[in-house]
Amino acid sequence: GQNIDQPTEMTATEGAIVQINCTYQTSGFNGLFWYQQHAGEAPTFLSYNVLDGLEEKGRFSSFLSRSKGYSYLLLKELQMKDSASYLCAVYGASGGSYIPTFGRGTSLIVHP
Amino acid sequence: DSGVTQTPKHLITATGQRVTLRCSPRSGDLSVYWYQQSLDQGLQFLIQYYNGEERAKGNILERFSAQQFPDLHSELNLSSLELGDSALYFCASSVAGGGTGELFFGEGSRLTVL
Repeated sequence: GQNIDQPTEMTATEGAIVQINCTYQTSGFNGLFWYQQHAGEAPTFLSYNVLDGLEEKGRFSSFLSRSKGYSYLLLKELQMKDSASYLCAVYGASGGSYIPTFGRGTSLIVHP
Repeated sequence: DSGVTQTPKHLITATGQRVTLRCSPRSGDLSVYWYQQSLDQGLQFLIQYYNGEERAKGNILERFSAQQFPDLHSELNLSSLELGDSALYFCASSVAGGGTGELFFGEGSRLTVL
């Protein structure tokens, strides 16, 4: 099975940088995703890592270490609209397929 | 707009009843995933279909069933509803059959069981 851990809540100041960590244990691994979800809305894709290293996409970067079962999402130049839940999801083996399993999400509160 | 359409957006019903949630995937996507999200809970995987066939199953209750039709739309049937089934139900689609590719989520169907 899959187990994904991420902090429940984080707070940060507008304009600052925040790092959201995710650790996982999975049987089989075929990539890790980060999604953003505003309350009551659909999750939206932020990033995808399948190989070790850093992927940068504008103000958002994501890092993966497969040997450590660890990833982080880095958000720079925080804006108020970045207040949302950030979901770490891992493609892990399930039966004869790989399915995306989501963590419970990290609620990020950005204050002025 | 992700291109994934879910109906209805909101549904209020009573315990013991049965409901059907519908999902139309993005054009060209063959995979449909169903997730349940309860208050303060993460997205719980229910079931996946690929090109009309069941591909993977999560912790889906026996009272719940799903199918994917030849036009690739999918339906999730929830029966003998209980208060605890109140949740946001998301459908997501992807091009691939599993193990790769971004998921595109619909806006969800919010089910309230009274």
